[in-house]
Amino acid sequence: SQKIEQNSEALNIQEGKTATLTCNYTNYSPAYLQWYRQDPGRGPVFLLLIRENEKEKRKERLKVTFDTTLKQSLFHITASQPADSATYLCALDLTGANNLFFGTGTRLTVIP
Amino acid sequence: EAGVAQSPRYKIIEKRQSVAFWCNPISGHATLYWYQQILGQGPKLLIQFQNNGVVDDSQLPKDRFSAERLKGVDSTLKIQPAKLEDSAVYLCASSLGTGSSYEQYFGPGTRLTVT
Repeated sequence: SQKIEQNSEALNIQEGKTATLTCNYTNYSPAYLQWYRQDPGRGPVFLLLIRENEKEKRKERLKVTFDTTLKQSLFHITASQPADSATYLCALDLTGANNLFFGTGTRLTVIP
Repeated sequence: EAGVAQSPRYKIIEKRQSVAFWCNPISGHATLYWYQQILGQGPKLLIQFQNNGVVDDSQLPKDRFSAERLKGVDSTLKIQPAKLEDSAVYLCASSLGTGSSYEQYFGPGTRLTVT
């Protein structure tokens, strides 16, 4: 069956360290993969998009990698800050029509 | 620029009752999405509109859920009759188009509790 797994439900790291979140998928060949941030009581906010033919994408302190052989995406936040504490969701777009399949999310807590 | 608006923000109903949610997308956004997010899970796409036409409704439980976007702007999602398992946050999102290069903008959601 189709499955999207994010490495853990919760991840705690010390301020200033790099947070690495994992998104693994099976039985998909996504054209695109997106990462979103969701704060409690709010809708998700788009962060980054990476295409199947791209290995890496960066935006300020954020970096996403996409390995279609391993069927895995890694999401890195460098120099993490308490304000980065949130749930991070990966989402697959299988067709390029922007109908997304979301993972369950990883709740990141950055400890001051 | 105003964001995606949704109302109501919270709704409590009894099972077998009906409920409707309203969404106003960002001005000029042709594509509108409804998602269901159950506590502890990621959002699940229910229906995607391009203007007033349906692009994808494969995960919409059509025996009880319906959605419309009559004039290609606002949209309503209805549940009739509601079941306990429909308790969730219903998120509306919009984007300029259907291609994946178009980022989706989400509203704050409507939290539905079915008792």
